Amino acid sequence: QVLLVQSGPEVTKPGASVKVSCKASGDRLGTDYIHWVRQAPGQGLEWMARINPSNYDTHFAQKFQGRVTMAGGTFANTVYMELSRLTFDDTAMYYCTRSTSRDWSYFDVWGQGMQVTVSS
Amino acid sequence: SYVLTQPPSVSVAPGNTARISCEGEDIGPETVHWYRQRPDQAPVLVMYNDDARPSGIPDRFSGSRSGNTATLTITRVEAGDEADYYCQVWLSDSDPSYVFGTGTRFTVL
Repeated sequence: QVLLVQSGPEVTKPGASVKVSCKASGDRLGTDYIHWVRQAPGQGLEWMARINPSNYDTHFAQKFQGRVTMAGGTFANTVYMELSRLTFDDTAMYYCTRSTSRDWSYFDVWGQGMQVTVSS
Repeated sequence: SYVLTQPPSVSVAPGNTARISCEGEDIGPETVHWYRQRPDQAPVLVMYNDDARPSGIPDRFSGSRSGNTATLTITRVEAGDEADYYCQVWLSDSDPSYVFGTGTRFTVL
């Protein structure tokens, strides 16, 4: 069973960028999809984007198009997501999560989350 | 954008049955999935494809679907079931294509 481990919390300033990592352990990513879901304080879950590290196929929510960059691959079993031009509204917990190529419609494994705080 | 509406809160006494609904305008042939999120923890999948239970989720949890409304049912409710619950669908023609419900705060009285 794959386990997703994310990087530690970050505090950053408006206008800057933040990079979040998500490392799979216990099993290789293979043809799985890695998604990014965020949760603002006291709010619900919001899907941002996904990548297939085996072929770099990506798909974004239009809201984040142009601000989100994803990278990584199956060799290092790690995926990165960079969010640029940060505003205070980007303060949130960012989760990576997996869906399989067999059924990409739901998320069966989640990372522990990474807190990103945008503060001046 | 597409909206999945859930009741903001549901409360049930221990041992009783809880039902959490999730309504969309036109879910169509797509299936509904459910996640449990305990305080300060990541979400956990508790139901997928309307009524399939992942390994490790007790059979007290069940799912059903009728038209554009999905329901997560928890029987013999326990204190440990207290959490936020979210439904979710994938819609190929929507933006975003992965949509979460508004969330339900489930409280065990």
